[in-house]
Amino acid sequence: EPEVTQTPSHQVTQMGQEVILRCVPISNHLYFYWYRQILGQKVEFLVSFYNNEISEKSEIFDDQFSVERPDGSNFTLKIRSTKLEDSAMYFCASSPPGQRTDTQYFGPGTRLTVL
Amino acid sequence: SQQGEEDPQALSIQEGENATMNCSYKTSINNLQWYRQNSGRGLVHLILIRSNEREKHSGRLRVTLDTSKKSSSLLITASRAADTASYFCANEGGGFKTIFGAGTRLFVKA
Repeated sequence: EPEVTQTPSHQVTQMGQEVILRCVPISNHLYFYWYRQILGQKVEFLVSFYNNEISEKSEIFDDQFSVERPDGSNFTLKIRSTKLEDSAMYFCASSPPGQRTDTQYFGPGTRLTVL
Repeated sequence: SQQGEEDPQALSIQEGENATMNCSYKTSINNLQWYRQNSGRGLVHLILIRSNEREKHSGRLRVTLDTSKKSSSLLITASRAADTASYFCANEGGGFKTIFGAGTRLFVKA
């Protein structure tokens, strides 16, 4: 069964550094999402992406964050100048064409640790 | 309170018992979804119920939706130790934003 994959599984970075988290959504999906989950807290929506542009973003998704679909398969989340409070699990998700409100399939997540 | 709040926050039961988790939300929805998360792992989609549905079954899972009360429940019947996980509801209320609740941590004792 196709699945969403994410790399790396764990990223450690120094405060102030830039990180890029990578996701490969399911191949025929058209809607893409990033979420984060701070340890012990709820999953928080960051951004959704459709038709090569951001369709919605949360208040968390400020100028520090950006997303890109550089080719037909990858979907990336860039965090510029990381802060300690960016430490979290970051989940990518995708959903199939034609039904934006249908099931979102989640990747296994990238654990980001900012030191 | 936050959208998509689950209760109880934690639930401990014996294997074989049923587990019921509830979720409340604040806005109108197109659908509501339940996910499971094992400790430190990703989210696994369990079941989706649309706003025009009242009940849905999938194996040992039963989900109900009461849009008048803005609430949903997830029932796991004949629980197993492998059901030990956190369970989240997530509501998609329009736009592209999905709001997750804080989750119920279920512990099933063998």
